[in-house]
Amino acid sequence: NAGVTQTPKFQVLKTGQSMTLQCAQDMNHEYMSWYRQDPGMGLRLIHYSVGAGITDQGEVPNGYNVSRSTTEDFPLRLLSAAPSQTSVYFCASTRDGQGPPPSGNTIYFGEGSWLTVV
Amino acid sequence: AQSVAQPEDQVNVAEGNPLTVKCTYSVSGNPYLFWYVQYPNRGLQFLLKYITGDNLVKGSYGFEAEFNKSQTSFHLKKPSALVSDSALYFCAPGGNTDKLIFGTGTRLQVFP
Repeated sequence: NAGVTQTPKFQVLKTGQSMTLQCAQDMNHEYMSWYRQDPGMGLRLIHYSVGAGITDQGEVPNGYNVSRSTTEDFPLRLLSAAPSQTSVYFCASTRDGQGPPPSGNTIYFGEGSWLTVV
Repeated sequence: AQSVAQPEDQVNVAEGNPLTVKCTYSVSGNPYLFWYVQYPNRGLQFLLKYITGDNLVKGSYGFEAEFNKSQTSFHLKKPSALVSDSALYFCAPGGNTDKLIFGTGTRLQVFP
């Protein structure tokens, strides 16, 4: 089972460049999200989606865009990279049970994308 | 708003000794509580969760967690620590929220 797949695993960007982190899941999960992980900060939620066509902001959305055209894919776009966006990014998904997500459902994470902005 | 607190940035324990990683929570309604583990350069992996029922929840790799409603705690425990248990551990609340929030995590270091 592939689970949650993130690409690329490593990327170096120059300030001002744009790029897209790809995330795909093959578990037919409704809920998908993006986190960034920084030393001493834990995981911070960037954006999330409760289903195709629906996205919303998390704790730290500035500088990032997302879209959810299909259930499987949830790409994260950096519009104009800044050194402050140097981080490890994790995509996650979970099954949306009946009612508001995600309730008691287990979250599945990708293996991470290491991004450096110079 | 739902939140968790992990009061210890790091926990050090000798191999073979019992370990505890602490978590307290603040949630409205019935809490769903999770523990995840992150090994170096990897994504988070599910360890165990409390939904309802027995207050002692058993999970992967010999870990267990005790749900204590009166103390609003969900501490992670293991009777005998292994060096391979060294990792970053996250407590997280579930429940009826769109925004899954994690804490800052606790680094567990098990010494031989």
